[in-house]
Amino acid sequence: QVQLQESGPGLVKPSQTLSLTCAVSGDSISRGSYYWSWIRQPAGKGLEWIGRMYSSGTINYNPSLESRVTISADTSKNQFSLKLTSVTAADTAVYYCAREIHPPGRSDLRALDIWGQGTMVTVSS
Amino acid sequence: DIQMTQSPSSLSASVGDRVTITCRASQHINNYLNWYQQKPGKAPKLLISAASILHSGVPSRFSGSGFGTDFTLTISSLHPEDFATYYCQQSYSTRRVDFGPGTNLEIK
Repeated sequence: QVQLQESGPGLVKPSQTLSLTCAVSGDSISRGSYYWSWIRQPAGKGLEWIGRMYSSGTINYNPSLESRVTISADTSKNQFSLKLTSVTAADTAVYYCAREIHPPGRSDLRALDIWGQGTMVTVSS
Repeated sequence: DIQMTQSPSSLSASVGDRVTITCRASQHINNYLNWYQQKPGKAPKLLISAASILHSGVPSRFSGSGFGTDFTLTISSLHPEDFATYYCQQSYSTRRVDFGPGTNLEIK
């Protein structure tokens, strides 16, 4: 059974860098057919996609966050990470990591099929 | 960018009701449309992919349809555990993911 677990500081000061890690169990992030994604959700609001990475090294970012975001992988630990620089109160949210399945030959079935439980990050001094 | 809209933004219904939620894309996305259910304090769960294919374990009272720009999620007979927020999401773009704003389904 594949499981994802986010971890990182729950409180970050304004202008600093938010750093989160997603540990993956039950699957390898190096295996093809999956993207590994970050999504966030401010309290009471909708879902905002942050970005994703593929085992080949391909990375896509939300253009609205691209200048501040870095997603990377540590295959030795089977985990991937999110760094968001120059944070403000607007970055306060629950941050989720998720697996996006990409079945070969069925691109229409691309979907975020497994999610972590989410971790709350507050930006405050 | 592909803009996703949903209607209604909120909906009150009773157990046993048939409910339909609509999602519209700002451009043609074939059937590259997914639906998720989110309950308070929980991560979203995938319900439907490719506009109409039920994810494993999802009850058959859920169904999806649509192609192009207009899509619907239907719950044929509401159960108490179905009261939640529902999001659509386009997977057409190869470079980004976009969610709709969500539809909050409440108990009447």
